[in-house]
Amino acid sequence: GDSVTQMEGPVTLSEEAFLTINCTYTATGYPSLFWYVQYPGEGLQLLLKATKADDKGSNKGFEATYRKETTSFHLEKGSVQVSDSAVYFCALQGRGRRALTFGSGTRLQVQP
Amino acid sequence: DTGVSQDPRHKITKRGQNVTFRCDPISEHNRLYWYRQTLGQGPEFLTYFQNEAQLEKSRLLSDRFSAERPKGSFSTLEIQRTEQGDSAMYLCASSPGPEGEQYFGPGTRLTVT
Repeated sequence: GDSVTQMEGPVTLSEEAFLTINCTYTATGYPSLFWYVQYPGEGLQLLLKATKADDKGSNKGFEATYRKETTSFHLEKGSVQVSDSAVYFCALQGRGRRALTFGSGTRLQVQP
Repeated sequence: DTGVSQDPRHKITKRGQNVTFRCDPISEHNRLYWYRQTLGQGPEFLTYFQNEAQLEKSRLLSDRFSAERPKGSFSTLEIQRTEQGDSAMYLCASSPGPEGEQYFGPGTRLTVT
């Protein structure tokens, strides 16, 4: 079945550092890929998405590129801020499916 | 548009009791989803409605779980004879279409003692 694997956290960075959170997936066909973010005390929010190979999703300075050859969708940001501290979830939606399959989440802590 | 709302936000119950949660989706969204999230894990899909029809159920949805969406508006998730393993955050999401973004509510945290 479909699955998503994320790097374990917590990831602790200093403000303005470069961020990478790895995400790889297993799915039949070509799924849509997503990054969701959960800020403390809040619900899940869609951060960015990509629906086909080589698409790059971007939002709020975060980027991720759909890499079919490596089945990856790594999240990157050039310069993190304290306000980026949250839990980040990689997810996929299989073709023809409605349910999202999530990874286990990666907690990011950004220190001033 | 006030987003997806869920009620209650927290529920503490004793093992063996029944509980019911409510989800109100964004008004124009005809698709509604339930997920369960345990500590340190990502959400896991439970079930999905298109309007009032329940179109998909996960194997996680045991016979003790039932979900409804009368009239295609709000939805309820009932757990009968709760067990300690049911303790989790129950998340509701809605979307305007099959490929649309799923908007999540704040969740209902269930603790079974």
